[in-house]
Amino acid sequence: SAVISQKPSRDICQRGTSLTIQCQVDSQVTMMFWYRQQPGQSLTLIATANQGSEATYESGFVIDKFPISRPNLTFSTLTVSNMSPEDSSIYLCSLNRDTNQETQYFGPGTRLLVL
Amino acid sequence: AQRVTQPEKLLSVFKGAPVELKCNYSYSGSPELFWYVQYSRQRLQLLLRHISRESIKGFTADLNKGETSFHLKKPFAQEEDSAMYYCALKVPGTYKYIFGTGTRLKVLA
Repeated sequence: SAVISQKPSRDICQRGTSLTIQCQVDSQVTMMFWYRQQPGQSLTLIATANQGSEATYESGFVIDKFPISRPNLTFSTLTVSNMSPEDSSIYLCSLNRDTNQETQYFGPGTRLLVL
Repeated sequence: AQRVTQPEKLLSVFKGAPVELKCNYSYSGSPELFWYVQYSRQRLQLLLRHISRESIKGFTADLNKGETSFHLKKPFAQEEDSAMYYCALKVPGTYKYIFGTGTRLKVLA
């Protein structure tokens, strides 16, 4: 398994502001992932973050709105920019650890409420 | 389109009763399917995957390609099984997972 921590665990933010979520892993991993879970919805992949290269975004997500950093193999950040109430969600980071890289390990999530 | 459907938002059963959490998928090739579980105040974690054909905590899931289903079953539910269950499809050859909306299982004493 993997130890994954996220900061903050929750936050309440004002419309128009930005929030940066941090994800720390206990050992080096090549690929990290950021998901969003809106209320009553399924987990949706936002982007894949590789160390040393630009993040790869899924359809419907753009770098200007969700800039991602991956400065090393144990850390990543996701910024939710210019927030609106529709951004209220749980944001999760995850990674693959198995040798066949099937299983996703998830962080505890960051619960964001935008007023 | 690739999609995972869990038709039940909430499933309540009595302790000792059989449980079946439904999952249907839409995918043109041979998918890799998983069940993830989230217990109260815990993070999302893997329960089982169809490739392993394993039974975890008494749960099993069989991939039925004809019906495009991957239902999760347990013959006798326990109170500690109460949790949120997510069915997920991994697109082969990629790292992309598609999750269903989840089913909350409540096992009543």
